[in-house]
Amino acid sequence: QVQLVQSGAEVKKPGSSVKVSCKASGGTFSTYVINWVRQAPGQGLEWMGGIIPKFNTPKYAQMFQGRVTITAEDSTSTVEMELSSLRPDDTAVYYCARPISASYFNDGFDIWGQGTLVTVSS
Amino acid sequence: EIVLTQSPATLSVSPGESATLSCRASQSIRSDLAWYQQKPGQAPRLLINGASTRATNIPARFSGSGAGTEFTLTISSLQSEDFAVYFCQHYSSWPPMYTFGPGTKLESK
Repeated sequence: QVQLVQSGAEVKKPGSSVKVSCKASGGTFSTYVINWVRQAPGQGLEWMGGIIPKFNTPKYAQMFQGRVTITAEDSTSTVEMELSSLRPDDTAVYYCARPISASYFNDGFDIWGQGTLVTVSS
Repeated sequence: EIVLTQSPATLSVSPGESATLSCRASQSIRSDLAWYQQKPGQAPRLLINGASTRATNIPARFSGSGAGTEFTLTISSLQSEDFAVYFCQHYSSWPPMYTFGPGTKLESK
């Protein structure tokens, strides 16, 4: 069974960047869309983007275009998400998540990382 | 861009009763809809995929229905562990993207 393990909590200054990693173990990784979803405190879920590690072609949500970069390293089963020009309202828990099947953007997410809290504060 | 609306925002139901949660899409999304349960401090848990297919190990008291623009998640015989926030999600292969609804908080009456 695949598990997704994320890097630890981060505290960042406004204007800086943060990079969060998501490492898969125990199953197929490279042909699934690995996604990033964030959740501000007490708020809903926002999809930020996703990538298929085998093809390394990311797709981004329009609201994050230009600020988010998602990369994959197939050899280490790791996906990273970098968010730049951080603002206080980027404070959130960031999750990586994998869908049920390798069918392209055609399923919900049945495997989630544990979440990474990113706090943006001066 | 497709917008998902969930109603009600908060639903108060007594244990043992049934709960009906609604998700509406701004345009037809066929059956490309999933439902999630989220408890405080936890990642979301997939309940339903394809509008009506229960995910692995999800109890039969959870059922999903609908297609097009109107979707329903029904939880029968509510257990204490079912009180949580529920989100719907649309997945689209073109353009490739995912969209979440704002959520419904299910609380114990």
